[in-house]
This record gives sequence, structure tokens and C-alpha cells, in this order.
Amino acid sequence: EIVLTQSPATLSLSPGERATLSCRASQSVSSYLAWYQQKPGQAPRLLIYDASNRATGIPARFSGSGSGTDFTLTISSLEPEDFAVYYCQQRSNWSWTFGQGTKVEIK
Amino acid sequence: QVQLQESGPGLVKPSQTLSLTCTVSGGSISSGGYYWSWIRQHPGKGLEWIGYIYYSGSTYYNPSLKSRVTISVDTSKNQFSLKLSSVTAADTAVYYCARELAGTMGFDIWGQGTMVTVSS
Repeated sequence: EIVLTQSPATLSLSPGERATLSCRASQSVSSYLAWYQQKPGQAPRLLIYDASNRATGIPARFSGSGSGTDFTLTISSLEPEDFAVYYCQQRSNWSWTFGQGTKVEIK
Repeated sequence: QVQLQESGPGLVKPSQTLSLTCTVSGGSISSGGYYWSWIRQHPGKGLEWIGYIYYSGSTYYNPSLKSRVTISVDTSKNQFSLKLSSVTAADTAVYYCARELAGTMGFDIWGQGTMVTVSS
């Protein structure tokens, strides 16, 4: 099973700052990686699919990059509504796994 | 606009079978092109993929749950279902159904989730 490791566990930032979230896979997943945002009491929301493509309706301040084993989600300038938990997810050999999440909190 | 809605008992006794249904509205499962999955989230924890089904009935399950999981589809009702047998307290979680476009990586539509507690 491929393990996804997200870092940091918690990111404390102020509105307007840039957020950089990392996701590392235990082996290559090519570009089969997605990013989600989850707020308390809500289902996850797809932000990025296939490593670098923004999902429908996702603001341009969200961007994804990487391939193979190292991936990054960047939020260029944090808005108040961006403070949430972010998960990465991969699919390999017909098995889907998620990272443990990064919490972006208000500093 | 496609929407997913989970339904089923919120309380299941240990050793029994958990049964949930996901109703798809605004689109047809039988039109193909999508994988339909179940995902769960233990309280305060991360996400765990349980398995998926295609409209044709082909399935794939998380190896760690495979011996206890059955996912089925009823295209006439536009629903797919999850059965998880021999449940324990460790199966207490919010259960989500979700859709993924075949050929891409990412669940683009999720149900709101339903909390299932395993307790006597």
C-alpha cells in the first residue's frame, strides 16, 4: 500500500499569507494525486485533480504541482474561508489512500 | 447538478452488518464513465477509502476491509449500497459516498455523510 505523508501537521498563518502544503508518497503515483479541503461538519471538497488541475469553481489562488512522489498545494493568499484541513489522496493499483491531513489555522 | 445522499441506520450493534445506501440524483449511474465509492472518516481522524463500484457491477475494495465489504449497484433505482459485516466499535465513523470520473484522480462530488455508531 502506498503511504502519503503530509507536512506540516499544522500550519499557522495569517490571512493574506501564502500557504505551502506538502504531500510525499512512499512510491511513485505518477500524477494520480488529488487535494481536498474539509471544514468541520462538512464533506471534503475537491480542489485539485490529477496533481495540478483545479476542479470546477475552485479559485485561482489554489494551485497544485508535482509528480512522482513529491507534491505541493499552494494557496497564494489566504482568505478567511481557507482555514480548514487539507488532505491529499492517491490512486495506485486500484487502491485509493489519503494523507493524514494538514490543518491550516489562523495565527 | 448531480447530488449524492447517504441513508441507513445510525446505530448498529456489534457483530451485525452495517448497511447504507447512496441515492444519486441529477444524473444516471448507468450512463457510465464514473466510479462510485464509499469512504469513511473515524471521529476526529482522517479519511479511509472503502471501495468502489462501476455501473457494470465491477468492484474493487480496500484490502484491509475486503473480507467484510460488499458494494452493489441498483441502476433501476439509481442507487449503490454498502454492506460491512461483523462490525465492531472500530467501524464507528462518518460514511460518505462519492463519485470519481474515470480516467481522472479525484472525487468531485460527495454526499453529506452519515454517522454510524456501533454500540450495543
